[in-house]
Amino acid sequence: SQQGEEDPQALSIQEGENATMNCSYKTSINNLQWYRQNSGRGLVHLILIRSNEREKHSGRLRVTLDTSKKSSSLLITASRAADTASYFCATVNNAGNMLTFGGGTRLMVKP
Amino acid sequence: GAVVSQHPSWVICKSGTSVKIECRSLDFQATTMFWYRQFPKQSLMLMATSNEGSKATYEQGVEKDKFLINHASLTLSTLTVTSAHPEDSSFYICSASRSGGTEAFFGQGTRLTVV
Repeated sequence: SQQGEEDPQALSIQEGENATMNCSYKTSINNLQWYRQNSGRGLVHLILIRSNEREKHSGRLRVTLDTSKKSSSLLITASRAADTASYFCATVNNAGNMLTFGGGTRLMVKP
Repeated sequence: GAVVSQHPSWVICKSGTSVKIECRSLDFQATTMFWYRQFPKQSLMLMATSNEGSKATYEQGVEKDKFLINHASLTLSTLTVTSAHPEDSSFYICSASRSGGTEAFFGQGTRLTVV
């Protein structure tokens, strides 16, 4: 696994289904963040989970963090066509001076 | 086809920090790896040629103390941008060639932003 590596790279689901994306990293982190990017647009910050947290919720988003496995997951429940976008996880190092992104997961939600 | 994996895909760091970029050949042995830099709307610029087990060969104008290259094995080369500054912000791409081959396979690139 590589720092901030997302899995799967692409995901296609039907509206109403849940979408799960995973992220793995290699080094110790201060926090892990998930971002969304619509085609041709900038990144939108979704949620931040700190290294001492295990789970966070925000609306239809649920993020988990397992520091022992150096992995995180983003779950989008009851997906909508408008959720179609690329989702990136990013890690912040303990020094707080570096934000490292993975390659992203392209999610397509079919109406 | 041969796969070259480059990580991370994107990194944002504060000025003064050092950033390491990895280039791995996943299913073949690469005696030689190449590091390129690409500025917006410009073509790739070869920075250095990395040979396994020996010192990298840098192109003219590329500071070897600034861009440290280590080709420690036949499947891994790393580029470390030391004490990064905003002018180092760029897209860095590696490529690898099979031992005895002529075709180069490219990684997906790393976007470095120094703030």
